[in-house]
Amino acid sequence: ELKVEQNPLFLSMQEGKNYTIYCNYSTTSDRLYWYRQDPGKSLESLFVLLSNGAVKQEGRLMASLDTKARLSTLHITAAVHDLSATYFCAADSNYQLIWGAGTKLIIKP
Amino acid sequence: GAGVSQSPSNKVTEKGKDVELRCDPISGHTALYWYRQSLGQGLEFLIYFQGNSAPDKSGLPSDRFSAERTGGSVSTLTIQRTQQEDSAVYLCASSLVAGVGELFFGEGSRLTVL
Repeated sequence: ELKVEQNPLFLSMQEGKNYTIYCNYSTTSDRLYWYRQDPGKSLESLFVLLSNGAVKQEGRLMASLDTKARLSTLHITAAVHDLSATYFCAADSNYQLIWGAGTKLIIKP
Repeated sequence: GAGVSQSPSNKVTEKGKDVELRCDPISGHTALYWYRQSLGQGLEFLIYFQGNSAPDKSGLPSDRFSAERTGGSVSTLTIQRTQQEDSAVYLCASSLVAGVGELFFGEGSRLTVL
């Protein structure tokens, strides 16, 4: 049974700093997804990672996938307040996504 | 449609009443998913459809919960005899085909059971 663990679950940081959110999954998965959720809003797709070594970047966010280590990371560079949100990772399993618990990110001005 | 549409956006009901939540997926998307999200929590899988079939109903919390999809499009999630623990945001998502590609989420239906 696939399980997905994120850490940290909560992160408070200052603007301008760098940080990384980690997503571990327990068994082989074909794809790894990152989503963002703003308070009271729905989920927005950020990245889809399809293969070992995949790296995708959008603005200050960069996601990577290491299928051998069963680890994906979401790196935030020079954080800005607008990136405050909850970030979820999810992995494929039998036609559905198994979700991490989410990382609530607060970026202070 | 342009995106996944859910209705109602908010529903307040009394314990013991039945509720229906509707989801209209993105046109052409054959896979449709229902999730539940309690306040400050992650996503709890309920059920998914590929076309009109529901291969996996394992996430439905009890027999008070049911879902159907007709015409390969709109889906309805029904909760009978609602309980206070059913209070949550119910999220619907669709994708082109189950197991392929990202999910696109609706804005959710917030259910409050008094």
